[in-house]
Amino acid sequence: EDQVTQSPEALRLQEGESSSLNCSYTVSGLRGLFWYRQDPGKGPEFLFTLYSAGEEKEKERLKATLTKKESFLHITAPKPEDSATYLCAVRENSGYSTLTFGKGTMLLVSP
Amino acid sequence: DAGVTQSPTHLIKTRGQQVTLRCSPKSGHDTVSWYQQALGQGPQFIFQYYEEEERQRGNFPDRFSGHQFPNYSSELNVNALLLGDSALYLCASSSPLTGWISDTQYFGPGTRLTVL
Repeated sequence: EDQVTQSPEALRLQEGESSSLNCSYTVSGLRGLFWYRQDPGKGPEFLFTLYSAGEEKEKERLKATLTKKESFLHITAPKPEDSATYLCAVRENSGYSTLTFGKGTMLLVSP
Repeated sequence: DAGVTQSPTHLIKTRGQQVTLRCSPKSGHDTVSWYQQALGQGPQFIFQYYEEEERQRGNFPDRFSGHQFPNYSSELNVNALLLGDSALYLCASSSPLTGWISDTQYFGPGTRLTVL
């Protein structure tokens, strides 16, 4: 059964204090790993898709990387507006596009 | 370009009642997936619709049913509501037409269902 585990569950940073969020996964065949940002009471907002080990993608202060067993979301010099829950999801190498999500990491960036 | 829209935003029901939630996919998308997100948890897959048929289903009871219309919009129906059905219900749309790699799911704002 697919499993996605995110750590830490919650993370508190000072503005400008860089850190990384972890997403470890076990799937029979990875077709894609997705990162989403979710603000309280809102729907998840798409950030990145990673397909193969060694792949990296960047967007503003965020950089996502992928290995064969885990993905990292690096946050460089975060700002208070980066505060949100970050969700990781995997898509198995089957014919359909359903996603299996982790529980998320709640990030709070203080000014 | 309108994104995924859902209605209503909030809904309050009592145990045993039935509820219908609605979703319009992003322009150009033909596949709709529904997820349930309990407080403090990640979204859990309910089912996916493509070409007006249920293509895949997660581990949810038959009380959860759906429909997709010819314009690709979709409904989620839940019968005999339980307290545990209280959650944020998310609709996501995607399109396989751009290739199997490019089928990122885009989510709507969700419907918050409270069962009393």
